[in-house]
Amino acid sequence: GDSVTQMEGPVTLSEEAFLTINCTYTATGYPSLFWYVQYPGEGLQLLLKATKADDKGSNKGFEATYRKETTSFHLEKGSVQVSDSAVYFCALVDTGRRALTFGSGTRLQVQP
Amino acid sequence: GAVVSQHPSRVICKSGTSVKIECRSLDFQATTMFWYRQFPKQSLMLMATSNEGSKATYEQGVEKDKFLINHASLTLSTLTVTSAHPEDSSFYICSAPGLVRDIQYFGAGTRLSVL
Repeated sequence: GDSVTQMEGPVTLSEEAFLTINCTYTATGYPSLFWYVQYPGEGLQLLLKATKADDKGSNKGFEATYRKETTSFHLEKGSVQVSDSAVYFCALVDTGRRALTFGSGTRLQVQP
Repeated sequence: GAVVSQHPSRVICKSGTSVKIECRSLDFQATTMFWYRQFPKQSLMLMATSNEGSKATYEQGVEKDKFLINHASLTLSTLTVTSAHPEDSSFYICSAPGLVRDIQYFGAGTRLSVL
């Protein structure tokens, strides 16, 4: 079956540091890949997505590239801010399905 | 943008009681909603797909009689945890698909603690 593996947290960074959160996946079809973010007390929000190999999703300074050869979708940001502190979930939707398969989430803490 | 409201955000109950969780799409219609469950430090796991006007579809290993789902209107789905026990303590999240392919909108989640 489908699965998503992402690095365990928490990840603690200083403001303006470079961020990478690793995500790899297994899927039987041709999945679309997502990063969702959950701020404290709020629901998950879509951060970015990519629907096919070599696509790059980007939003709010975050980027992730759909790498089919390595089955990865790592999240990166060049300079994090305190306001980026949240839990980040990597997820996929496989061909013919509508429900998401999630990774376990990575908590990011950015210190001033 | 589309908003999904989930209520309550937190509930503490005694073992043996039933708990109802509501999930509402506030500014769009949702013929389908999804219910997920998350244990500490684990993934969100799909429990069931709620279908307006018809029976819910449950994932393998999820007890239908334990987790009752009702999707009586185009904007409301409810999950009732019947005869709750401490092992049912978890974080429950609902979502609804939007008009754009593959995009889902999530509620803020409900943390259930069964004593």
